Amino acid sequence: GNSVTQMEGPVTLSEEAFLTINCTYTATGYPSLFWYVQYPGEGLQLLLKATKADDKGSNKGFEATYRKETTSFHLEKGSVQVSDSAVYFCALYPNAGNMLTFGGGTRLMVKP
Amino acid sequence: GAGVSQTPSNKVTEKGKYVELRCDPISGHTALYWYRQSLGQGPEFLIYFQGTGAADDSGLPNDRFFAVRPEGSVSTLKIQRTERGDSAVYLCASSKILGTGELFFGEGSRLTVL
Repeated sequence: GNSVTQMEGPVTLSEEAFLTINCTYTATGYPSLFWYVQYPGEGLQLLLKATKADDKGSNKGFEATYRKETTSFHLEKGSVQVSDSAVYFCALYPNAGNMLTFGGGTRLMVKP
Repeated sequence: GAGVSQTPSNKVTEKGKYVELRCDPISGHTALYWYRQSLGQGPEFLIYFQGTGAADDSGLPNDRFFAVRPEGSVSTLKIQRTERGDSAVYLCASSKILGTGELFFGEGSRLTVL
């Protein structure tokens, strides 16, 4: 079956530090890959996506590249801010199916 | 409203009671999903609707769980004979187009079963 594995948190960084949150997946075929973010007190929202191999998704300074050879979709940001503190979820959407499968989430805490 | 609305935001009930959780999706969104999120975990799929019909209910844990969407808009998740293990945040999401993975989530209904 489909599954997503992401690094456990919490990840604690100082402001302006570089961020990487690892995500790997298992799926048949060629799924679309997503990062969703959950800010405190808010619902999950789409951060970025990539639909095919070597695509790079980007938004709000965050980036992730779809790597089929390593079945990975790691999230990166060059300089985090306190406002980036949230829980980040990696997810896949299979090309033959109709629901998102999520990883367990990684909590990011950014300190001033 | 502009977003997905879920009510109640919090529900505390006693073991064995019946619970209903409501979801009002974004207007015009034909696909509606229910997920369950336990503390410290990612959302787990329960069921999704395309229009009025349940297109896939393979994630419902047992027959105590049931969901309806009679007019293709508002949906209700129903849980009978609640158990303490049902305690979680129940998330609803909607999508304008089925097949994209781009879902709009509500803030969830937190259910606590005592």
